[in-house]
Amino acid sequence: AQKVTQAQTEISVVEKEDVTLDCVYETRDTTYYLFWYKQPPSGELVFLIRRNSFDEQNEISGRYSWNFQKSTSSFNFTITASQVVDSAVYFCALSEAGNAGGTSYGKLTFGQGTILTVHP
Amino acid sequence: ETGVTQTPRHLVMGMTNKKSLKCEQHLGHNAMYWYKQSAKKPLELMFVYSLEERVENNSVPSRFSPECPNSSHLFLHLHTLQPEDSALYLCASSLLPNTEAFFGQGTRLTVV
Repeated sequence: AQKVTQAQTEISVVEKEDVTLDCVYETRDTTYYLFWYKQPPSGELVFLIRRNSFDEQNEISGRYSWNFQKSTSSFNFTITASQVVDSAVYFCALSEAGNAGGTSYGKLTFGQGTILTVHP
Repeated sequence: ETGVTQTPRHLVMGMTNKKSLKCEQHLGHNAMYWYKQSAKKPLELMFVYSLEERVENNSVPSRFSPECPNSSHLFLHLHTLQPEDSALYLCASSLLPNTEAFFGQGTRLTVV
């Protein structure tokens, strides 16, 4: 069974601080996909990044960066120079491919989420 | 605008009521999902529809009944719910396996 663990339940920082959100996963699949989503107070989950298991290159997008380390089964997310608008719940997720009746589909296993609060 | 629209945004219902949640996507996706988000628990996958066929039902009680009349619409019919069913219900859609899912804003359900 797949499992995603986000050990940090809540993180509180002051604006302009850097913050790293940890994610550790378990899977028996050799091919899998990892995701990060942001959930602002409005409720919808906003997609941030997708990474497949064969691509361990780190990625940077503006103030966001992701560190994928297959050896430790981790996919950590760093926000540089945090801002108040970054306050949200952040979810790490692992995709498992399902197959039924010849139809393939994806289903996500989510971590419990990390509540990030950035104070002005 | 995420491309996935859920209505209503908020719903309060009694335990004897019958109500339906609606989800609509115009992204051309062929898979749609219902997730339940309760306080202090991870998001739980409830149902998966792929090409309008239900392909997964994760041991969800029969008081929740999904319906997918076409590839753009997904419903969740509710009847005789319990207070512990109060949660945020999120709809999502995706195009291909292992591609990102796009989520709606959710329906905040309160059962009284």
